[in-house]
Amino acid sequence: QVQLVQSGAEVKKPGASVKVSCKASGFTFTRYGISWVRQAPGQGLQWVGWISAYNGNTLYAQKLQGRVTMTTDRSTSTAHMELRSLKSDDTAIYYCARRGEHIDYWGQGTLVSVYS
Amino acid sequence: SYELTQPPSVSVSPGQTARITCFGDASPKPYVYWYQQKSGRAPVLVIYEDNKRPSGIPERFSGSSSGTMATLTISGAQVDDEADYYCYSTDISADHRGVFGGGTKVTVL
Repeated sequence: QVQLVQSGAEVKKPGASVKVSCKASGFTFTRYGISWVRQAPGQGLQWVGWISAYNGNTLYAQKLQGRVTMTTDRSTSTAHMELRSLKSDDTAIYYCARRGEHIDYWGQGTLVSVYS
Repeated sequence: SYELTQPPSVSVSPGQTARITCFGDASPKPYVYWYQQKSGRAPVLVIYEDNKRPSGIPERFSGSSSGTMATLTISGAQVDDEADYYCYSTDISADHRGVFGGGTKVTVL
């Protein structure tokens, strides 16, 4: 069955960087993309970006452009999202999700907390 | 930038019909997708491409789209349907970047 298993919770100070991983199984990784979505405490869903696992093409949310980098490791079917220069309002659950024609299966989420 | 607007909340009695709207004025209008998110859980896809239901999603969930409005309908709502619902689409004017609506809290009581 399709599974996306994310790395564990992170606590970071403002200005630091965080890298969240998302290991895929149960499907052919390179035939899909991976989208990243975040959800601040008590808030709605916010699209963060997308990466093609086939060719590495990326598309990032305009407000995060320059601070976010998405990569994939096809040898381990794992996607990574790095966010730099963290601010307190980056505190959120970060989800990875499989994207073919649309976003269908989601990971369990990774809580990233940013505070001094 | 493209925005999707949803009502913050909808209440429905068990067995009645709940309708959640999603307004977006892009032209041409891209497909709309609907996700259900229960408290503390990851979202689940309940409708794709305006009106298609993934396997495993109950038939009481249906979607429609007309003009600038997409609608998720829960016919015969059950207590288990209580959740936040988000519409999602892409911004054609911004390289198809993803856009979520603000979410609608559906209460069944």
